[in-house]
Amino acid sequence: AQSVTQLGSHVSVSEGALVLLRCNYSSSVPPYLFWYVQYPNQGLQLLLKYTTGATLVKGINGFEAEFKKSETSFHLTKPSAHMSDAAEYFCAVIPNSGGYQKVTFGTGTKLQVIP
Amino acid sequence: DADVTQTPRNRITKTGKRIMLECSQTKGHDRMYWYRQDPGLGLRLIYYSFDVKDINKGEISDGYSVSRQAQAKFSLSLESAIPNQTALYFCATSVGPNTGELFFGEGSRLTVL
Repeated sequence: AQSVTQLGSHVSVSEGALVLLRCNYSSSVPPYLFWYVQYPNQGLQLLLKYTTGATLVKGINGFEAEFKKSETSFHLTKPSAHMSDAAEYFCAVIPNSGGYQKVTFGTGTKLQVIP
Repeated sequence: DADVTQTPRNRITKTGKRIMLECSQTKGHDRMYWYRQDPGLGLRLIYYSFDVKDINKGEISDGYSVSRQAQAKFSLSLESAIPNQTALYFCATSVGPNTGELFFGEGSRLTVL
């Protein structure tokens, strides 16, 4: 079964510092990968996704992620953290195969931005 | 107005009570889902539906039931609530197949005492 592992349930960064949230997947075949963000008291919304093609994917609010097959990773980055980035971030995966495939979510990483 | 609307947003109930969480959507999507979110566990799929006549169990369906009343409406029921069903519940929709892009409601926080 597909799975994703998010390293670090809580990450703190200073405002203006680099944001790096880690996600590794387990799959023998490269899956489709996603990052979702959940702001306080809201539902999740899609930040970015990788399906095929370019391995560096750009999303909303200045975030980007790079698919690295050799490392089975899909880490999320942002060069300069803003206070409004404080939220919980979820990595997610679905298999790249036919038929209905369930989205599997990681356990989430809460990002705290320190002024 | 939100594209995916959940009611109620917050509910406190007692053990053994029947609870219904409702979801309606204006996105025109055929696929609808119910997820449960618990701290440290991420989101887990309870039930999903591809259309009014196609309802499927997810990974944690025990203790829950669903009804797809129309393309736009998908409700989740707890027939006899228990404390370990205290959680944040999300309804979501998607355009099939297998895009992985889900559109979430704002959640229904349920507390079972």
